[in-house]
Amino acid sequence: AQSVTQPDIHITVSEGASLELRCNYSYGATPYLFWYVQSPGQGLQLLLKYFSGDTLVQGIKGFEAEFKRSQSSFNLRKPSVHWSDAAEYFCAVATTQGGSEKLVFGKGTKLTVNP
Amino acid sequence: NAGVTQTPKFQVLKTGQSMTLQCAQDMNHNSMYWYRQDPGMGLRLIYYSASEGTTDKGEVPNGYNVSRLNKREFSLRLESAAPSQTSVYFCASSRYEQYFGPGTRLTVT
Repeated sequence: AQSVTQPDIHITVSEGASLELRCNYSYGATPYLFWYVQSPGQGLQLLLKYFSGDTLVQGIKGFEAEFKRSQSSFNLRKPSVHWSDAAEYFCAVATTQGGSEKLVFGKGTKLTVNP
Repeated sequence: NAGVTQTPKFQVLKTGQSMTLQCAQDMNHNSMYWYRQDPGMGLRLIYYSASEGTTDKGEVPNGYNVSRLNKREFSLRLESAAPSQTSVYFCASSRYEQYFGPGTRLTVT
């Protein structure tokens, strides 16, 4: 069965520092991979997605992620974190069943940003 | 475009009461989904609908029913609410990537 692991439940960084959030997936075929962000009390917003092609994908808000097939990873990065990036981040892998894409989510990584 | 809308935003129920959560999307997507989000559990799929007229169970369907009323609307019904159904419920729709509504925060006492 498909699964997504986000090893870090909670990460704290200082404003201006670099950030890397880890994501490992388990999926037999070529995966479709996503990162979503959720601010407190809000819904999920798509940060970026990987379907195929270039393994380094750019997203909104200055985020990027790199797909590494050999490591079954899709880690999210940002060179310089802003206080407004404090939120919870979810990695997800898509599976196709019955003509519909279903997402399997990791349990999330909560990011705290210190001033 | 409003995207994905959900009503109500908040609801408190007593055990055994019933209610329907409403979801609508204006992006002309075929697929729609209902998730629940609990602390430390991420999002878990309750039901989904690949197209108008079809629905399928997800990971945690027990205690819920759904109706795909038309292409725009996908409702989630709790027939007899239980405290274990206290959660935040999200609706989503998709063509290639999923777009989420703002959520309904449900408390069952």
